[in-house]
Amino acid sequence: QKEVEQNSGPLSVPEGAIASLNCTYSDRVSQSFFWYRQYSGKSPELIMSIYSNGDKEDGRFTAQLNKASQYVSLLIRDSQPSDSATYLCAVTLNRDDKIIFGKGTRLHILP
Amino acid sequence: NAGVTQTPKFQVLKTGQSMTLQCAQDMNHNSMYWYRQDPGMGLRLIYYSASEGTTDKGEVPNGYNVSRLNKREFSLRLESAAPSQTSVYFCASSSTGTGFHYEQFFGPGTRLTVL
Repeated sequence: QKEVEQNSGPLSVPEGAIASLNCTYSDRVSQSFFWYRQYSGKSPELIMSIYSNGDKEDGRFTAQLNKASQYVSLLIRDSQPSDSATYLCAVTLNRDDKIIFGKGTRLHILP
Repeated sequence: NAGVTQTPKFQVLKTGQSMTLQCAQDMNHNSMYWYRQDPGMGLRLIYYSASEGTTDKGEVPNGYNVSRLNKREFSLRLESAAPSQTSVYFCASSSTGTGFHYEQFFGPGTRLTVL
């Protein structure tokens, strides 16, 4: 059973600090990795994609991928109250057109 | 572009009733998906369609049927609704195949309650 594991949280971070969200996956041949943000009562929104080892930065967001350790993370710099949401990690299955989602980490930014 | 649209937004059914959830996308994506999301369970794939004319079961297909009407539209049907099907249903679409990375884009969801 292919799995994506995330700490459910809640993760509480002071406003202005760095929020660090982590995810591990079981399928060694996964090729593409995604972070989605989901506000309460809304649909998941894609915020970051990463396909190769290392860091990828987009504004205040940085995705980090380590395929050897089967680990992907999301850093949010200068956290804002509007970043309070559930963050879903998602990973492609083996050369398949499906992705598998983690259950999400609830992030709460403290004003 | 509207992206992925879903109808209806809310629905209440009685046990045993049937209904069809509609989904359409205008991004020229070849793959479409139906998920349900329940508290503590995350997103679970019900059915997906890799291309027009093809459909495949996902993780939780029992009690559902799907139709890929054309490249734009993918519907989900509950033939005889049960309280266990109370959930939020999301449709998603993606470009797949050589050169694509399978990012999925979601519709706004349908909140279904079965009494």
